[in-house]
Amino acid sequence: DSGVTQTPKHLITATGQRVTLRCSPRSGDLSVYWYQQSLDQGLQFLIHYYNGEERAKGNILERFSAQQFPDLHSELNLSSLELGDSALYFCASSTLPGEVTDTQYFGPGTRLTVL
Amino acid sequence: LAKTTQPISMDSYEGQEVNITCSHNNIATNDYITWYQQFPSQGPRFIIQGYKTKVTNEVASLFIPADRKSSTLSLPRVSLSDTAVYYCLVGDRSNDYKLSFGAGTTVTVRA
Repeated sequence: DSGVTQTPKHLITATGQRVTLRCSPRSGDLSVYWYQQSLDQGLQFLIHYYNGEERAKGNILERFSAQQFPDLHSELNLSSLELGDSALYFCASSTLPGEVTDTQYFGPGTRLTVL
Repeated sequence: LAKTTQPISMDSYEGQEVNITCSHNNIATNDYITWYQQFPSQGPRFIIQGYKTKVTNEVASLFIPADRKSSTLSLPRVSLSDTAVYYCLVGDRSNDYKLSFGAGTTVTVRA
């Protein structure tokens, strides 16, 4: 158990819908990262927040948005869903603001299926 | 942009040593090299990290030559439970610490 929690574990929805994925970092961690993993794309970095502020953006679509709240939990919002958005979405947390030396602790993931 | 190149897959047998080499020609001076392990449908897990020469922990060893353009993760005496995807990670300090996991190496250990 990494200490990072993600909800829900599974999510099934239809094209065009909007969903929200939630992540709670390890106690004391200020950084939250979101990743998307699909069969054909591997593990893709989406976005990184540190202490409520956006720190770095990866290959995140405009239909996707995220935020980190004052209690440090984070939410990833996915809208106008397409079949290709079906994937595992992982959240990770670390103590520091994103240095490569930071160890990232990954949550169990949310499996999103868009029908 | 720091980019890593790893073999797509490797096969091994129980009890053997597995060595996975990662190329990172554009590694920055202050960058560290980190390896993660991922089992199916689970999040990646930190294995080891190093800057130069050799680092060893209870799970693996990491060998980094002087030019730091590559690194080799060594898994001693693998077991079936070591079957996983292994990612070599190098931070991209030129672009706000955007991290790239790359495609990873699928290691399959057979009995």
